[in-house]
Amino acid sequence: NAGVTQTPKFRVLKTGQSMTLLCAQDMNHEYMYWYRQDPGMGLRLIHYSVGEGTTAKGEVPDGYNVSRLKKQNFLLGLESAAPSQTSVYFCASSARVSRLAFGSGTRLTVV
Amino acid sequence: KQEVTQIPAALSVPEGENLVLNCSFTDSAIYNLQWFRQDPGKGLTSLLLIQSSQREQTSGRLNASLDKSSGRSTLYIAASQPGDSATYLCAVVRDRGSTLGRLYFGRGTQLTVWP
Repeated sequence: NAGVTQTPKFRVLKTGQSMTLLCAQDMNHEYMYWYRQDPGMGLRLIHYSVGEGTTAKGEVPDGYNVSRLKKQNFLLGLESAAPSQTSVYFCASSARVSRLAFGSGTRLTVV
Repeated sequence: KQEVTQIPAALSVPEGENLVLNCSFTDSAIYNLQWFRQDPGKGLTSLLLIQSSQREQTSGRLNASLDKSSGRSTLYIAASQPGDSATYLCAVVRDRGSTLGRLYFGRGTQLTVWP
């Protein structure tokens, strides 16, 4: 049972490049989330999804897009990366409003 | 907007001490409150979940209490061990219709337990 799997684990991008972060969960969870964690800022919600085919904005959605085409996958896209998007990104999932399971994170550096 | 505050930001104690971590939130209309542990360079691990109708939850040496009306929760760690060293975060889920399911996190308490 893999839980929540994030790929890639590390990435370095040049300003203006695009990339997609993939989150996959095998627990049949309805809810999925993308957070970013920055020193001194804590965890901030980027986007979330309460079911397949639905997405909603969180606290800091600008510069990111998401898609939930399949229940088990939640993709986070950066269309034109900026240095301000250097962060650690965490995906999480839960069965409706219950305990969250987190992935191990993706360290993204934008130079 | 829901704001979550954790005090202290950092705590350093000798092994064996009983300790209390504090979490406060501004909007008492919560669905549940969760405590997490984060080890350096790792993701978050769920420790305890307290429903809004509950007063406390226990897991091993951990006990979390919830006073919804005053907007406070405490995490009590008994007989601390060096392996308890980590950052502890609390998060609340608002009980507000369309935003149900969103968690609001505090910035955490960084705990160091020395031998």
